[in-house]
Amino acid sequence: GAGVSQTPSNKVTEKGKYVELRCDPISGHTALYWYRQSLGQGPEFLIYFQGTGAADDSGLPNDRFFAVRPEGSVSTLKIQRTERGDSAVYLCASSLIQGGGTEAFFGQGTRLTVV
Amino acid sequence: ILNVEQSPQSLHVQEGDSTNFTCSFPSSNFYALHWYRWETAKSPEALFVMTLNGDEKKKGRISATLNTKEGYSYLYIKGSQPEDSATYLCASGTYKYIFGTGTRLKVLA
Repeated sequence: GAGVSQTPSNKVTEKGKYVELRCDPISGHTALYWYRQSLGQGPEFLIYFQGTGAADDSGLPNDRFFAVRPEGSVSTLKIQRTERGDSAVYLCASSLIQGGGTEAFFGQGTRLTVV
Repeated sequence: ILNVEQSPQSLHVQEGDSTNFTCSFPSSNFYALHWYRWETAKSPEALFVMTLNGDEKKKGRISATLNTKEGYSYLYIKGSQPEDSATYLCASGTYKYIFGTGTRLKVLA
């Protein structure tokens, strides 16, 4: 596609349930990033993939969060036993190569609400 | 400064006015500074990537400057239009961007 695509755009789930958020990066982009924006905050780093491997997952808040990118393209962010504090906008971005001087393109985000 | 900070948090300007916002970031171990514009229900749109001290970049009516020694960047909008209404985010870092909380701009027609 022309841009980074995230699905679903909105997700409402009950506390304790499992959710998966999908990200389709721009074709050919090897670097993929997940960020989370909570109300009133700037986006916070969760995890960075270079190809298929998670090069840095230091931003994942706890072991309920996990992300995969099995074929080096689509990525899925998985959240187990969701809690109300997980409610946020989850943003995915991709870039051609890794690096702070490289432009990263963001998707529209998935707004997750845990009730 | 340990975090990325933006000011003001929000502002309203009249159509046609020029305005500017500030982004402050840690000056040590600087790598790059990014500006994004984020309209509601849309993707954050990259405006500028700046890496060199003294950099000045321009895109239409929007421009930005960078001072890496003192750790700040300014974003300027000349002749604001209602379509400029958005949240403007800056981020510093390598792949692990540290974002500010943004400046919410509302341009009144």
